[in-house]
Amino acid sequence: AQTVTQSQPEMSVQEAETVTLSCTYDTSESDYYLFWYKQPPSRQMILVIRQEAYKQQNATENRFSVNFQKAAKSFSLKISDSQLGDAAMYFCAYRSPNFGNEKLTFGTGTRLTIIP
Amino acid sequence: DSGVTQTPKHLITATGQRVTLRCSPRSGDLSVYWYQQSLDQGLQFLIQYYNGEERAKGNILERFSAQQFPDLHSELNLSSLELGDSALYFCASSVGDRGLYEQYFGPGTRLTVT
Repeated sequence: AQTVTQSQPEMSVQEAETVTLSCTYDTSESDYYLFWYKQPPSRQMILVIRQEAYKQQNATENRFSVNFQKAAKSFSLKISDSQLGDAAMYFCAYRSPNFGNEKLTFGTGTRLTIIP
Repeated sequence: DSGVTQTPKHLITATGQRVTLRCSPRSGDLSVYWYQQSLDQGLQFLIQYYNGEERAKGNILERFSAQQFPDLHSELNLSSLELGDSALYFCASSVGDRGLYEQYFGPGTRLTVT
């Protein structure tokens, strides 16, 4: 079974600075999908960024980018120019590409605080 | 707004009772997933339905059951409720085809068992 580990329960960053959230995972599959979800105080789960394992190029979405290291099974999220609205819980998630195994496996989350 | 709706938003009930949570997926999405978010267990997958049929099962208790109806909405039934069932229950939907598709999450139902 796949597992996802987020070793930083809490992180903080000054507004306009850059922060990196860590995520590692364990799997025996060679192809898979990885996601970062954001959960603000409203509790809504919002997709931030996604990555396909067979693509070596790191995904980027505006101020959000990932550092995907397949051999190390690492998938970190970098937030540039941090804004107050980025304050939230961030969850790393894994999904298998296999039929019937499409569930998301989540890490325990990192609470990000933005310091004005 | 993800396009996924869940009712009710909040539910308070007593131990031993039974409740039904409802989810309407995004238009065109065939897959519905149920997740439970609790303080001690984190975010856990419960069950998935695809076009009316059960496709995958996770850590779902025998006291819990779900179904997906012909109009694709889904219901999660929780019975013989215990204090530990208090949690935020999310429904998510997706196209369900293979590929890098997104699971869109509803706003959740907050269940409190007293």
